[in-house]
Amino acid sequence: NAGVTQTPKFQVLKTGQSMTLQCAQDMNHNSMYWYRQDPGMGLRLIYYSASEGTTDKGEVPNGYNVSRLNKREFSLRLESAAPSQTSVYFCASSEAPASGNTIYFGEGSWLTVV
Amino acid sequence: QKEVEQDPGPLSVPEGAIVSLNCTYSNSAFQYFMWYRQYSRKGPELLMYTYSSGNKEDGRFTAQVDKSSKYISLFIRDSQPSDSATYLCAFQGAQKLVFGQGTRLTINP
Repeated sequence: NAGVTQTPKFQVLKTGQSMTLQCAQDMNHNSMYWYRQDPGMGLRLIYYSASEGTTDKGEVPNGYNVSRLNKREFSLRLESAAPSQTSVYFCASSEAPASGNTIYFGEGSWLTVV
Repeated sequence: QKEVEQDPGPLSVPEGAIVSLNCTYSNSAFQYFMWYRQYSRKGPELLMYTYSSGNKEDGRFTAQVDKSSKYISLFIRDSQPSDSATYLCAFQGAQKLVFGQGTRLTINP
């Protein structure tokens, strides 16, 4: 059982380049999330999708876009990467929106923007 | 005032010690209280989940909630080197899930 799978695991980008982080879950969850984790800042919500066909901004959405491709997949796009976007990114899914006891995280994607 | 406050540590204790991790919160709408454990270079995993004031025990772990003081704690008894990780508190309510900053814990053999 793979759970939440995100790719790539590591990426180095130059300022201004674009890239997409991919995420897929195999638990038939309705809700999916993208978080970023920075030292001393904890997990901050970038965007979420409460259910297939919907997406909403989280706490730190600037510089990012998302696509809920289907129930399984939720991608995060950086259109023009900036050094401030250097971070660890986690995709997560849960049965229902903001359901803390059913949320599962991927293993993270380490992104460095130089 | 931040919605959630968690001392980031780091915290280093000898094997066998009792560990106490704490968080405070300000949002009265939070109804569910969680602790997650995150090993190095991994995603967070749910460790404890509770919704009422008082204590909930699971093996060596005890989650304590005091709604009147808006304070939650996680106690680890007989700590082991395998407990070395970052521990994040989290709060659910009003259609929000909010995480603390995480406390990095090291258990020294």
